[in-house]
Amino acid sequence: ETGVTQSPTHLIKTRGQQVTLRCSSQSGHNTVSWYQQALGQGPQFIFQYYREEENGRGNFPPRFSGLQFPNYSSELNVNALELDDSALYLCASSFGGRGGYTFGSGTRLTVV
Amino acid sequence: KNEVEQSPQNLTAQEGEFITINCSYSVGISALHWLQQHPGGGIVSLFMLSSGKKKHGRLIATINIQEKHSSLHITASHPRDSAVYICAVAGTASKLTFGTGTRLQVTL
Repeated sequence: ETGVTQSPTHLIKTRGQQVTLRCSSQSGHNTVSWYQQALGQGPQFIFQYYREEENGRGNFPPRFSGLQFPNYSSELNVNALELDDSALYLCASSFGGRGGYTFGSGTRLTVV
Repeated sequence: KNEVEQSPQNLTAQEGEFITINCSYSVGISALHWLQQHPGGGIVSLFMLSSGKKKHGRLIATINIQEKHSSLHITASHPRDSAVYICAVAGTASKLTFGTGTRLQVTL
C-alpha cells in the first residue's frame, strides 16, 4: 500500500510566475484535498477533488486551480505568484472525503 | 474566534511526564482528527474520533461531543514525541478545519 507522494519537495519561484505542484493519492483513495500552511499557522483548506471534479473550495482566489486525473492523482496550479503564496502546500487523500486521511510530506514553496 | 481552538500553544515537558493537549471546536462535526507534524512538515494521522476514547501505545484521545471538546494525552513522554500536534475537525462539508497546533518539546 503506497502513501501520498508530493513533488517537488522544495521550490523557489519569482513573483508573477506560475507553479504546478503534484500529488499522488494513496492506493484505494479517490479524493484529494489541498491545504496551504503558512509559517506558524494551521493548514487552510484550498479545495478538494472527488472523481475528477472540484468538490468544495476554501477562500482562495481563482488563480489557485487544480486537476484530478483518472488515477486520482492531482495537481495544484497557482498563477501570478505573490510573495504571500510562500507556504507549505499539503495534499491529503481519503476515500469519499470522509474517514481517515493520509497526508503527503508537503511542498515548500518560496516566492521571491 | 477560530472554529478550532487548541491549548496550550506551546508546551515544554520533561521526559516521563504526562501531557495533555486540549481542543475545542464551535461547529458540528462528523469526526475529529489528531495529527502530528514534525519539523520537516509531513503530517501523520494519529487518531480519528467521532465519540468516546481511543488508545494507541502511549497516546490516548478522548472526545466529548456534547461539550465540543477533545483531549490528546501522552503518557510517559519521550524526546521523540517532540512535534507539533494539530487538532482538525471534519464538518458536514468535505474539508478539514485545523487548529493552529500545539508545539511540544520534551527534554531529557
